[in-house]
Amino acid sequence: GEDVEQSLFLSVREGDSSVINCTYTDSSSTYLYWYKQEPGAGLQLLTYIFSNMDMKQDQRLTVLLNKKDKHLSLRIADTQTGDSAIYFCAEKTGGFKTIFGAGTRLFVKA
Amino acid sequence: SAVISQKPSRDICQRGTSLTIQCQVDSQVTMMFWYRQQPGQSLTLIATANQGSEATYESGFVIDKFPISRPNLTFSTLTVSNMSPEDSSIYLCSGGEAASTDTQYFGPGTRLTVL
Repeated sequence: GEDVEQSLFLSVREGDSSVINCTYTDSSSTYLYWYKQEPGAGLQLLTYIFSNMDMKQDQRLTVLLNKKDKHLSLRIADTQTGDSAIYFCAEKTGGFKTIFGAGTRLFVKA
Repeated sequence: SAVISQKPSRDICQRGTSLTIQCQVDSQVTMMFWYRQQPGQSLTLIATANQGSEATYESGFVIDKFPISRPNLTFSTLTVSNMSPEDSSIYLCSGGEAASTDTQYFGPGTRLTVL
């Protein structure tokens, strides 16, 4: 079945890079997404990557996709305390449904 | 992009009562989705709502418990019926299009506590 998995917690120091990893199972995924959720707020789309790309860079964010291993990562350069949030990996499947991971809680220590 | 608002933002309800959550989008969207997010858990899709047709429910969710309305392309409601403490959760509304190129936009969520 369709499944998206990610680690639950990540702790980094301010100024370091954060790397959040995700694996998915549906080989027919068309788009893969990273969403950010701050406390008490809804999900905010951060970035996405089409399944025929292997990298996308957007300012401090770098998305890497290994389609063979079905592995997606989000790298945040120069992590700031304002980046503390829950990050959700999601895939849009061939059936147009979006499947979400459980979210990775990023803690940034000053 | 679309901006989505939900009402109420939070509520505390008694067991056995029902609550209707409203979702408003600032632009027309073909598909609207309702999710449940329990603490520390992933988002679970409850149902997909298209205008003019009955909502499509995911496994484990039924219309009698979660009736949904979709009267037009910018609005939807979800009712949580005959509530029990197990229904305590955040309920998220989302809107998007059917094409795989389109992303989904989310409302801020409704935090429901059932006593």
